[in-house]
Amino acid sequence: GQSLEQPSEVTAVEGAIVQINCTYQTSGFYGLSWYQQHDGGAPTFLSYNALDGLEETGRFSSFLSRSDSYGYLLLQELQMKDSASYFCAVRDGATNKLIFGTGTLLAVQP
Amino acid sequence: DGGITQSPKYLFRKEGQNVTLSCEQNLNHDAMYWYRQDPGQGLRLIYYSQIVNDFQKGDIAEGYSVSREKKESFPLTVTSAQKNPTAFYLCASSTAREDQPQHFGDGTRLSIL
Repeated sequence: GQSLEQPSEVTAVEGAIVQINCTYQTSGFYGLSWYQQHDGGAPTFLSYNALDGLEETGRFSSFLSRSDSYGYLLLQELQMKDSASYFCAVRDGATNKLIFGTGTLLAVQP
Repeated sequence: DGGITQSPKYLFRKEGQNVTLSCEQNLNHDAMYWYRQDPGQGLRLIYYSQIVNDFQKGDIAEGYSVSREKKESFPLTVTSAQKNPTAFYLCASSTAREDQPQHFGDGTRLSIL
């Protein structure tokens, strides 16, 4: 089967850097994605890593190590509006389904 | 602008009643998905469709039904067999390429009266 593990909650202060980890088990790997969801809203796509290494998009970066079945989302210069849930997801290559982790609730404090 | 539209935003169901949640997309995506999200939980896949007139069960399909008669539309019916339907329902669509993200609608919040 396929499963992903993330910490349930992370707290950080404005201006800080926070890292949200994701470990996965999958029968066929087709990339690791990250989504952000504000309370009561729709998930929105943040990043996608198919190869090892770091992908940077503004204040957000995402890292992947396929040999370790591990990735993380790095958020820099935290702002209050970054308070949200963050989900990692892997795609099942046979069915094209996205398998989501249980999500990490990030609370940014003043 | 292209996107996904879910309606209604809020829906109430009486005991023994079937209700249908609408999902329409104008992104020309082949694949569409329905997820259920409970408070403080992740997204669980109910049904998905990779092409018109074809759909597959996800992880929690019992008590739900779908149809995919048009590429743009993927309605979800919550039947009376679903004993605990109160949840946030999200519809999504994507292309077939694995590097392309899923685009989500704004969701429908279903409650029991």
